[in-house]
Amino acid sequence: DAGVTQSPTHLIKTRGQQVTLRCSPISGHKSVSWYQQVLGQGPQFIFQYYEKEERGRGNFPDRFSARQFPNYSSELNVNALLLGDSALYLCASSLETGAPLLANYGYTFGSGTRLTVV
Amino acid sequence: GEDVEQSLFLSVREGDSSVINCTYTDSSSTYLYWYKQEPGAGLQLLTYIFSNMDMKQDQRLTVLLNKKDKHLSLRIADTQTGDSAIYFCAGYNTNAGKSTFGDGTTLTVKP
Repeated sequence: DAGVTQSPTHLIKTRGQQVTLRCSPISGHKSVSWYQQVLGQGPQFIFQYYEKEERGRGNFPDRFSARQFPNYSSELNVNALLLGDSALYLCASSLETGAPLLANYGYTFGSGTRLTVV
Repeated sequence: GEDVEQSLFLSVREGDSSVINCTYTDSSSTYLYWYKQEPGAGLQLLTYIFSNMDMKQDQRLTVLLNKKDKHLSLRIADTQTGDSAIYFCAGYNTNAGKSTFGDGTTLTVKP
């Protein structure tokens, strides 16, 4: 069974451009969360989606947006890229959100997309 | 706001025990857990503990939670070179639906 898959694995963008990152959750998982991991730091929560609705939002500017599709895959969009947006973007999927046994509901991370803004 | 702090580096000899410490501020964290990240890889869930537990043991891993001091530790027994990685402590707030991570502890295991 495939794990959480993210695409692309790496990309390079220029300041001011827009980027779309994609995430396919584990089959049967309905919740997708996005995290930004800057080099040398821990992941920072960006969004959580469940059943196509936004269920949580971190402290990120409006340049960051996301959506979840009927098949539970998700896209993260970042507009007007800044150099500081360079990071590893991680997607995590789980069966549900707020589940009592979070770990047992398979909160699983993908390998991430490495975004470099030049 | 929420904050999770960890020491940045730990170096041990193969076969010794490793203890990685973490402090957190969010008392609403329902679950606390440890992730392992190897170079170029995503996050691998190692173990977790509910906020109403004091200790959890899972093979070579032992998690201790001191709720009063908001202190969490991960002990790795018989540390191996394959345990070299970055270890992240994180708390999950069910109401907010998000995890707050520390900046990670880089564990180096010397032969």
